[in-house]
Amino acid sequence: GENVEQHPSTLSVQEGDSAVIKCTYSDSASNYFPWYKQELGKRPQLIIDIRSNVGEKKDQRIAVTLNKTAKHFSLHITETQPEDSAVYFCAVGQLTFGSGTQLTVLP
Amino acid sequence: GAGVSQSPSNKVTEKGKDVELRCDPISGHTALYWYRQSLGQGLEFLIYFQGNSAPDKSGLPSDRFSAERTGGSVSTLTIQRTQQEDSAVYLCASSLGARGNTEAFFGQGTRLTVV
Repeated sequence: GENVEQHPSTLSVQEGDSAVIKCTYSDSASNYFPWYKQELGKRPQLIIDIRSNVGEKKDQRIAVTLNKTAKHFSLHITETQPEDSAVYFCAVGQLTFGSGTQLTVLP
Repeated sequence: GAGVSQSPSNKVTEKGKDVELRCDPISGHTALYWYRQSLGQGLEFLIYFQGNSAPDKSGLPSDRFSAERTGGSVSTLTIQRTQQEDSAVYLCASSLGARGNTEAFFGQGTRLTVV
């Protein structure tokens, strides 16, 4: 079955710096790659997604890049703010999730 | 409803008892997913429904776990003879598209504690 690896497991950045989280996957047939943000005690919520026919997608301070050849995709958050602190999960389709990254933005 | 609704929000049960968890998806969403999230861990896929059928049950951890969906809407996840390792948050999600190609909306989860 599909395997998704996510790195790093924890990430601390200073407010205003950028944060990058990376995921690799195994199934080359996959074509939908969402990212979810989960705040403590709350449900996961989609923050951005990308399909296999594009290489990059941006939404304000958030961007996702996809390299289908290398089978990896990354989440980029610029100008980080304390409210960005949460656990971020990548996924391949909706069936396989990465193990999560705890992002802490230090004020 | 406005979003995915799960009940109960919390459930404490004794080891060996059966439990039923309910998920009410967003109206019109044909795809429904169940996940398990242990404390501080990621989301473990359990089962996927498209309409009333379950084309992917590969994530169910044992034959004590089963799920059904009726009328293309409400789904129940049943755990028989609960064990302490079943303690986790059980999350349900629904989406418009098939097999995970569109955004999934999550419910608030059911926190199951087996004592």
